[in-house]
Amino acid sequence: EPEVTQTPSHQVTQMGQEVILRCVPISNHLYFYWYRQILGQKVEFLVSFYNNEISEKSEIFDDQFSVERPDGSNFTLKIRSTKLEDSAMYFCASILDREAFFGQGTRLTVV
Amino acid sequence: TQLLEQSPQFLSIQEGENLTVYCNSSSVFSSLQWYRQEPGEGPVLLVTVVTGGEVKKLKRLTFQFGDARKDSSLHITAAQPGDTGLYLCAGDQADSWGKLQFGAGTQVVVTP
Repeated sequence: EPEVTQTPSHQVTQMGQEVILRCVPISNHLYFYWYRQILGQKVEFLVSFYNNEISEKSEIFDDQFSVERPDGSNFTLKIRSTKLEDSAMYFCASILDREAFFGQGTRLTVV
Repeated sequence: TQLLEQSPQFLSIQEGENLTVYCNSSSVFSSLQWYRQEPGEGPVLLVTVVTGGEVKKLKRLTFQFGDARKDSSLHITAAQPGDTGLYLCAGDQADSWGKLQFGAGTQVVVTP
């Protein structure tokens, strides 16, 4: 069964460092998303991406965040200068016919 | 932000019992989805409902979307220990298709 894959599964980084989280969405899907889940809190929408551009972003998704689809398969989330409060699980999702498929997530720990 | 409230927050039952979890909002949703999430993993889609009053069945799970498309319920018949998990509802709206608002989840524990 097709699945969304994310790498790495766990990333530890020092405050102020840049991180890139990677996702390979399901190949025939056209809409891609990043969500995050801070420990013990709700899953929160970050950004949606369609046709090689951002279609919507939340207030969380400030200038420190960027997304890119550098080739036909990868979809990346970059955080330029990480803060302690960026520590969370980050989930990539792709959607087809209103069905969202989530990756296993990347646990980002900022120290 | 349109809030989705899930109740109860936690539910512990014996194997074989039935349970219902609820997802309520004051806002109308274009579609509503139910997910199950295991610790340290991503949400796994169980069902999507899009029509007011719609009922969908997935083996022992029954999902209902309210007539006004503001609420939904998940009913599990004859629960099994394998049903243990965090159940999340999430909805999107017509002007933000695919941008899901998640509820906080209901933790279900089914003991043998």
